[in-house]
Amino acid sequence: EVQLVESGGGLVKPGGSLRLSCVASGFTFSSYNVHWVRQAPGKGLEWVSSISSSSNYIYYADSVDGRFTIYRDNANNSLYLQMNSLRDEDTAVYYCGRDRQRSGWSAVGYWGQGTRVTVSS
Amino acid sequence: DIQMTQSPSTLSASVGDRVTITCRASQSISVWMAWYQQKPGKAPNLLIYKASTLESGVPSRFSGTGSGTEFTLTISSLQPDDFATYYCQQYISHSWTFGQGTKVEIK
Repeated sequence: EVQLVESGGGLVKPGGSLRLSCVASGFTFSSYNVHWVRQAPGKGLEWVSSISSSSNYIYYADSVDGRFTIYRDNANNSLYLQMNSLRDEDTAVYYCGRDRQRSGWSAVGYWGQGTRVTVSS
Repeated sequence: DIQMTQSPSTLSASVGDRVTITCRASQSISVWMAWYQQKPGKAPNLLIYKASTLESGVPSRFSGTGSGTEFTLTISSLQPDDFATYYCQQYISHSWTFGQGTKVEIK
């Protein structure tokens, strides 16, 4: 069974940092592109960042570019999001997700349960 | 960035109704459109990908059509489990964008 389990969320002050983790199981993690998508309270879904299977390609939303860093550790089936210079508007539930198929880039076929990040003084 | 305009934002319907949700892209995305269902407090769930392909395990009452800039998600006969929020998403570009969501409520 495919599973994605996020952790690392919490309360942080504006300007602070946080690192989110997503541990994958039930599939060959190194074969899939993976993503971070967030959802602010009461709002819709917002794509944050994507990383290809071998880390050759990395993409960020304009809203986080220069502040967030996505990376992965295929040996440990893990995806990370290092978040620096956090702002109030980064408050959200952060989901990790996996492409539904191995080849190319595709829709998100599997999602984690999410981890909540609150940025507040 | 490609903008996705989804309508309506809220839809009131009864069990058994046929429901249609529309999503318009600001530029052509060919068939690179996905639809997700999300229930409160839960992660989204993929329903349709590549505009019209039903994800495995998704009931056949869900269907998707469209290409270019105009897309629809149809639920042929609304069931109690279908009351949720639905999102469209383009993935032609590596800067993904989602529609603002359509909440399907009980009439």
